[in-house]
Amino acid sequence: DSGVTQTPKHLITATGQRVTLRCSPRSGDLSVYWYQQSLDQGLQFLIQYYNGEERAKGNILERFSAQQFPDLHSELNLSSLELGDSALYFCASSVVGGGEAFFGQGTRLTVV
Amino acid sequence: AQKVTQAQTEISVVEKEDVTLDCVYETRDTTYYLFWYKQPPSGELVFLIRRNSFDEQNEISGRYSWNFQKSTSSFNFTITASQVVDSAVYFCALSHNTPGTASKLTFGTGTRLQVTL
Repeated sequence: DSGVTQTPKHLITATGQRVTLRCSPRSGDLSVYWYQQSLDQGLQFLIQYYNGEERAKGNILERFSAQQFPDLHSELNLSSLELGDSALYFCASSVVGGGEAFFGQGTRLTVV
Repeated sequence: AQKVTQAQTEISVVEKEDVTLDCVYETRDTTYYLFWYKQPPSGELVFLIRRNSFDEQNEISGRYSWNFQKSTSSFNFTITASQVVDSAVYFCALSHNTPGTASKLTFGTGTRLQVTL
């Protein structure tokens, strides 16, 4: 158990819908990262938050957004979903940037 | 830009064989971190090791060992006496180690290891 909690584990939704993925980092970790794993793109970095502020952005679509709350949990919002958004979404956390990142079990999103 | 290459897409071995997973990286940073993660069939990503670019010493942890060679930009992973439970996809990753820069992980495409009886 990495200590990073992601909910839900599985999500099935229709095209055009909006979903929210939730992540609770390990106790004491200030940095939260979101990654997308798909068959064609592999593991891709989406966005990083550090102590509530956005630190870095990767190849995150405009339809996607995230935030980190004062209690350090984070949410990834995916809207106007398309079939191609079907993927495994991981959250990871670390104490500071550059530390080993511990990953949650992921949320498997299926868009039908 | 950073890049990680895992040229071996899939490796099959028989239990008790030794196996080495290759990882070659590219970065312009003078300091950086290298990682290995394991993704078993259940899907989670399990952290195995982090290596600072300052430290070129090889590391051994039980049946696992890592060979970091800065001269060839490689960070290879060897499993000794492989077991069926080692069957998984293994990812090599790279991140910055410079204050003030984003520390996201850049992953390779992974190597699927299949260990059979």
